[in-house]
Amino acid sequence: DGGITQSPKYLFRKEGQNVTLSCEQNLNHDAMYWYRQDPGQGLRLIYYSQIVNDFQKGDIAEGYSVSREKKESFPLTVTSAQKNPTAFYLCASTVSPGYEQYFGPGTRLTVT
Amino acid sequence: DAKTTQPTSMDCAEGRAANLPCNHSTISGNEYVYWYRQIHSQGPQYIIHGLKNNETNEMASLIITEDRKSSTLILPHATLRDTAVYYCIVRDSGSARQLTFGSGTQLTVLP
Repeated sequence: DGGITQSPKYLFRKEGQNVTLSCEQNLNHDAMYWYRQDPGQGLRLIYYSQIVNDFQKGDIAEGYSVSREKKESFPLTVTSAQKNPTAFYLCASTVSPGYEQYFGPGTRLTVT
Repeated sequence: DAKTTQPTSMDCAEGRAANLPCNHSTISGNEYVYWYRQIHSQGPQYIIHGLKNNETNEMASLIITEDRKSSTLILPHATLRDTAVYYCIVRDSGSARQLTFGSGTQLTVLP
């Protein structure tokens, strides 16, 4: 089955700890995205990558970092510098920028 | 990307057609209309998109007015599983950036 997987579904961390969220796709898509969603809100872009070894900041990149060493993987690290990390994080991919995006199931991160 | 306006919420009886409107009066000639939906606590799901002609797929139909200033997403036979927030998004097909999700329409399908 082709698709996007995110793990884990729920993640709990203590304040001050870095945490890495996984995103893997087997759709052979070039472009991948990370969004953040807060309760009752739309999605906000954190980072996106159009090709391997290249990525760009989105609207709310501060306190986050990414890597794109493989086409199928785009992990997101939430650092201790992110002031309000508790949120629902969504990863998406598309065959090429501008085409429809396909989303993973999301990771709900809670930092206390 | 052009801004869109959608009603906050709508109800629909199970088995009936759900018609979800979207206004995008500032749409430009190279911008497509996309529809996604998000079931509670899940990732958004792509539904359909179009430029100027009406489109239909296995999930829904998209009707775009001739002046392209508004569109309607039609779910022909709504089921309880169609209860979700539906997002209308207008964007340039060549844009590499994100989809801009507004607040969408909460569709509740009633038994």
